[in-house]
Amino acid sequence: GQNIDQPTEMTATEGAIVQINCTYQTSGFNGLFWYQQHAGEAPTFLSYNVLDGLEEKGRFSSFLSRSKGYSYLLLKELQMKDSASYLCAVRENSGNTPLVFGKGTRLSVIA
Amino acid sequence: DAMVIQNPRYQVTQFGKPVTLSCSQTLNHNVMYWYQQKSSQAPKLLFHYYDKDFNNEADTPDNFQSRRPNTSFCFLDIRSPGLGDAAMYLCATRSGRHYNEQFFGPGTRLTVL
Repeated sequence: GQNIDQPTEMTATEGAIVQINCTYQTSGFNGLFWYQQHAGEAPTFLSYNVLDGLEEKGRFSSFLSRSKGYSYLLLKELQMKDSASYLCAVRENSGNTPLVFGKGTRLSVIA
Repeated sequence: DAMVIQNPRYQVTQFGKPVTLSCSQTLNHNVMYWYQQKSSQAPKLLFHYYDKDFNNEADTPDNFQSRRPNTSFCFLDIRSPGLGDAAMYLCATRSGRHYNEQFFGPGTRLTVL
């Protein structure tokens, strides 16, 4: 079966750093994605990891450990506009296999 | 500049009245997906196409049908909407040759009265 877990909600302060964790148990693994979704809007792509390690892209970084079935999204220098849901998604196989999404973590950035 | 377009953005229908949601893309991507997303839940895949090859998820209700007349367009037909079908419907595309991201449209929020 498929199981992707992430915390339901998190709160952090403007200017701070926050780490959103994701653990997964899937029948296969061919990449892990993080998407940002503002309320009422479509998800937008943030990052992709297929090999172990850290991928950095501006204020956002994503880490993957395949042996542990674990990823995190790190957001630095938080801004109010970062308040959104962050979805972890796994592609189980190569080819055209659709993504399997977690339920998302709703991040609230407060002043 | 729009890449994945969904119309309408907001759709209101009556219980049992058929409704069609549309998606178009300017990316020439082979793969198109339809997801249903309810409040505070993960997007749930309904079906996807690789070119004209249709793949239906096992738990997608028979009430939901899809058509893809050409590469650019894909439709979601809900034959007899129930109150439980009220949700955001997301269309997404991906290149069959590019193993990375799916591009999502802005979604259609369906309300069933």
